[in-house]
Amino acid sequence: KAGVTQTPRYLIKTRGQQVTLSCSPISGHRSVSWYQQTPGQGLQFLFEYFSETQRNKGNFPGRFSGRQFSNSRSEMNVSTLELGDSALYLCASSPEYSNTEAFFGQGTRLTVV
Amino acid sequence: AQSVTQLDSQVPVFEEAPVELRCNYSSSVSVYLFWYVQYPNQGLQLLLKYLSGSTLVKGINGFEAEFNKSQTSFHLRKPSVHISDTAEYFCAVRGMDSSYKLIFGSGTRLLVRP
Repeated sequence: KAGVTQTPRYLIKTRGQQVTLSCSPISGHRSVSWYQQTPGQGLQFLFEYFSETQRNKGNFPGRFSGRQFSNSRSEMNVSTLELGDSALYLCASSPEYSNTEAFFGQGTRLTVV
Repeated sequence: AQSVTQLDSQVPVFEEAPVELRCNYSSSVSVYLFWYVQYPNQGLQLLLKYLSGSTLVKGINGFEAEFNKSQTSFHLRKPSVHISDTAEYFCAVRGMDSSYKLIFGSGTRLLVRP
């Protein structure tokens, strides 16, 4: 069974641009969550999607958005990039029942210059 | 709301010595508890989890953890570490609702020396 796939693995963008990151969950998993990891703030929850609906949202500005498609694949978008958005963005997928763990992808390393 | 505290930012230890990485949490609701490991430039890999039942849980690579509800702790232990255990370790909690939102501690870097 294939794991969680995130594309691209590395990305360099300029301040003010926007970026879209993609996440393909494990087959059969309907929940997809996104996390931002930085040296200063650690791992922070961005949002979670379940069956195409945002079920939970972290404390991030509106420049961060996401969506989930009918095949459970998810994208997150960051508009008007700032230097502080440089981070490792991790996607995690989970099956429908709640008493289990999240499975993480390798992450997308975003560098904003 | 939940929070997680990992008191030690770095733990140096010699190879084949035992190690304990500490994790304390706070929550107004019952929680699930997890330990994840992260190697350089990689995602997070689950080491072990406590969902219910026995408070002593065993995970991969010889790690184990004990859930202590009264002390709200979930410390990770290994009786004998290897050089390959050098990595960042994260404790995480999730409330027992339908959401998969994980709250992570700040991480503990385990540095195993020969």
